[in-house]
Amino acid sequence: EDQVTQSPEALRLQEGESSSLNCSYTVSGLRGLFWYRQDPGKGPEFLFTLYSAGEEKEKERLKATLTKKESFLHITAPKPEDSATYLCAVLSNNDMRFGAGTRLTVKP
Amino acid sequence: EPEVTQTPSHQVTQMGQEVILRCVPISNHLYFYWYRQILGQKVEFLVSFYNNEISEKSEIFDDQFSVERPDGSNFTLKIRSTKLEDSAMYFCASSGTVLNQPQHFGDGTRLSIL
Repeated sequence: EDQVTQSPEALRLQEGESSSLNCSYTVSGLRGLFWYRQDPGKGPEFLFTLYSAGEEKEKERLKATLTKKESFLHITAPKPEDSATYLCAVLSNNDMRFGAGTRLTVKP
Repeated sequence: EPEVTQTPSHQVTQMGQEVILRCVPISNHLYFYWYRQILGQKVEFLVSFYNNEISEKSEIFDDQFSVERPDGSNFTLKIRSTKLEDSAMYFCASSGTVLNQPQHFGDGTRLSIL
């Protein structure tokens, strides 16, 4: 069965303290891996798409990488406004499957 | 920037009643989706829709649910005979002209069943 697992469940950082979020997956027929940001009471906001192992995407303080088994979302020198839940989703032959998310809190 | 819009933002319905959730996808997108998120749980896929028909559906999407694109702009989710466990956030999403392009989400409808 397809599975998407994110870790850690929650992460508290000081402003400027870099870290990484993990998304490990087992799916049949990967069509794409997506990272989203979700703020409370809002829908997921698209961040990145990765399609093949070795691919990297970068936007401001965020960088996403992909291997055949997992993806990392690296956050460099985070700011309080980066506080949100970060969701990983995998599109396979059948459907889009989301992980449970990592709730990131960045303290000033 | 184009966005997906959903109405209403909050719907309160008595158990057993029918409810219709509405979505206006991004105008040049061809793929449409519904998801739900029960409070504190994962976002769950319900159904995908392309070329005026359902292309995939999950186990959750049983005979209680139906989708429709009644005109060129709206995409609706109908839930018949609602149950308490249908209470959740329902998100609509759309994506472009190729299946594996990013899906863009609306801000959801919070459905509360009493």
